[in-house]
Amino acid sequence: AQSVTQLGSHVSVSEGALVLLRCNYSSSVPPYLFWYVQYPNQGLQLLLKYTTGATLVKGINGFEAEFKKSETSFHLTKPSAHMSDAAEYFCAVSDRNTGFQKLVFGTGTRLLVSP
Amino acid sequence: NAGVMQNPRHLVRRRGQEARLRCSPMKGHSHVYWYRQLPEEGLKFMVYLQKENIIDESGMPKERFSAEFPKEGPSILRIQQVVRGDSAAYFCASSPLPSGQETQYFGPGTRLLVL
Repeated sequence: AQSVTQLGSHVSVSEGALVLLRCNYSSSVPPYLFWYVQYPNQGLQLLLKYTTGATLVKGINGFEAEFKKSETSFHLTKPSAHMSDAAEYFCAVSDRNTGFQKLVFGTGTRLLVSP
Repeated sequence: NAGVMQNPRHLVRRRGQEARLRCSPMKGHSHVYWYRQLPEEGLKFMVYLQKENIIDESGMPKERFSAEFPKEGPSILRIQQVVRGDSAAYFCASSPLPSGQETQYFGPGTRLLVL
């Protein structure tokens, strides 16, 4: 069965510092991978996704993630944090076993950005 | 193009009452997914519907929960005889084609509180 592990329920960085949010997945077949961001009391917004092709994926708001099959990881990074990046971030996976129909989410990482 | 709409945004029910949550997908989208987010947890898949059909309800509790997506009108998630454990945020997502490489677009959610 698919599962997603996000290490660290909370990550704190200073404004301008590197952001690194970790995501590891388990899937018996090649997955599709997603990062979503959720601002307070709002729905989820897609940051980026990996389906096929280039393993380094660039998303909105300066975020990017790299699919590393050997490490079963899809970590999210941003070179320089901004105050507006403070939110909850969810990694998700889907795969052929479920017809790619359902997303399996990690438990989320809350990013805190201090001035 | 309006996004996914959900109403109500907040719903308070007493134990034993019924809760009806509505989701209007994005224009042109005929695939709807419902997810539940319990406090401090990630989203969990509940059900996937196409117009007039339930495709996958593997995440739905066996009792009290039902979903529909009629030919006309919004998708409805119905919870009968609510209990305190049903308190959660319920998110709807839609996609134009079966989700896979297609992105699921999320609504703002309905936050259900059972007293």
